[in-house]
Order: sequence, then structure tokens, then C-alpha cells
Amino acid sequence: DAGITQSPRHKVTETGTPVTLRCHQTENHRYMYWYRQDPGHGLRLIHYSYGVKDTDKGEVSDGYSVSRSKTEDFLLTLESATSSQTSVYFCATKGRGSATEAFFGQGTRLTVV
Amino acid sequence: GENVEQHPSTLSVQEGDSAVIKCTYSDSASNYFPWYKQELGKRPQLIIDIRSNVGEKKDQRIAVTLNKTAKHFSLHITETQPEDSAVYFCAASIGDNDMRFGAGTRLTVKP
Repeated sequence: DAGITQSPRHKVTETGTPVTLRCHQTENHRYMYWYRQDPGHGLRLIHYSYGVKDTDKGEVSDGYSVSRSKTEDFLLTLESATSSQTSVYFCATKGRGSATEAFFGQGTRLTVV
Repeated sequence: GENVEQHPSTLSVQEGDSAVIKCTYSDSASNYFPWYKQELGKRPQLIIDIRSNVGEKKDQRIAVTLNKTAKHFSLHITETQPEDSAVYFCAASIGDNDMRFGAGTRLTVKP
């Protein structure tokens, strides 16, 4: 497996609190992505990054922000967590070059109570 | 953005039978179509992919076909085995910036 580590692996938080999830990679991949996985919806893209400080929105970006200050780290922040953001979050990375494999982290299970 | 639809959502087959999962995409500029397998509690992992300049690709018991005109692509698994039981996702991307997934197909292979 590619060197992609997500932290924390599990988190329970209260509604209204901010939460930050971290994705760390050792592959020097240029592209990084955050997805959420929910039953019946598959993997939905939240935000992605195509370089340091270069990010863009995906299909379900409302309520989320991201930052990428270093190639190896991509942070996902829930500004004020809501119960609808209870989900499993996956980070993925991809090297340079169109049409190449994306590698996934182990996932973070987030529960908002 | 790209929209990917995947069918069926669940599929049950007898061991040794074939399984077919179909996906359609909306953006004709999409040029890369990977398939991922996700076992229970694990991360998705690539099993096969196809690029827009190829119509078919095969890897042992797994094959993928692409019809660019109709904007659909399919995964074919032959001689299914119980260890093929998992959730399968198709995806489509335009370059590197955006990769969208289908909703997934839960495949069950009965011994």
C-alpha cells in the first residue's frame, strides 16, 4: 500500500464543534482528495488539491474547508460539525500524470452526536 | 461536474457464474475509468482501469469494456469465487483534478 496515513482513525464529537482530519502521505504525490462514504451514495468528493496551497471544491463541499501547506499533508476541517456529517472519510492521493491510479488511506470514522 | 451512475446496487451470483456491473458517465471529456474493490472495513483498492483510447482490457478473470459513444463502461468478472464478494465502485475522471465515483455495487458470491 502507498504510504497514506489518516488521523484520527475514529472520532466522536459534539454538534457545533470544529473538527480537523489529517491525511499524511510519503509518496510525494501531487494530487490529494477527500471523500466521504455513506450507504447508498458511494464515495463523494468533498475537496481536492492539485498542489501546495492549490485546492478546489468537489460535489459536497458545503460545511467543509481544506488546507495544504505542505506536499505531504492535506487537512479537512469541519467548521461546525453537524449530525449529517457523520460518515467515513477517505483521503486519496495520486501522482502526476493523467489517468493514473489513486491510492486510498485507511479511512476515518467520524460520529457527530 | 461529472456524474457517474452505477447498476445494479446489489448483485448475488453462484460461485463459478459471471458477474457484470455497468456504469454510465455524463462528461464526454472523461478519459480515465478505474474500478475499485472495497472489502468490509477496508480501504478501496484498484482492481483494473481503462483509458479512453482503449475499448477493452482484461486481467485474468476481470475485464472492463468502454463504449465512448454511449458513455458507458462495464466490469466483467468470470468464474466468480467467494473471495470476490465485496463492494465494487466505478469512477470517471477528466485528467487529475476531479475523480467521481458511482454509488457502488455489493457483490455476493454464494458457495
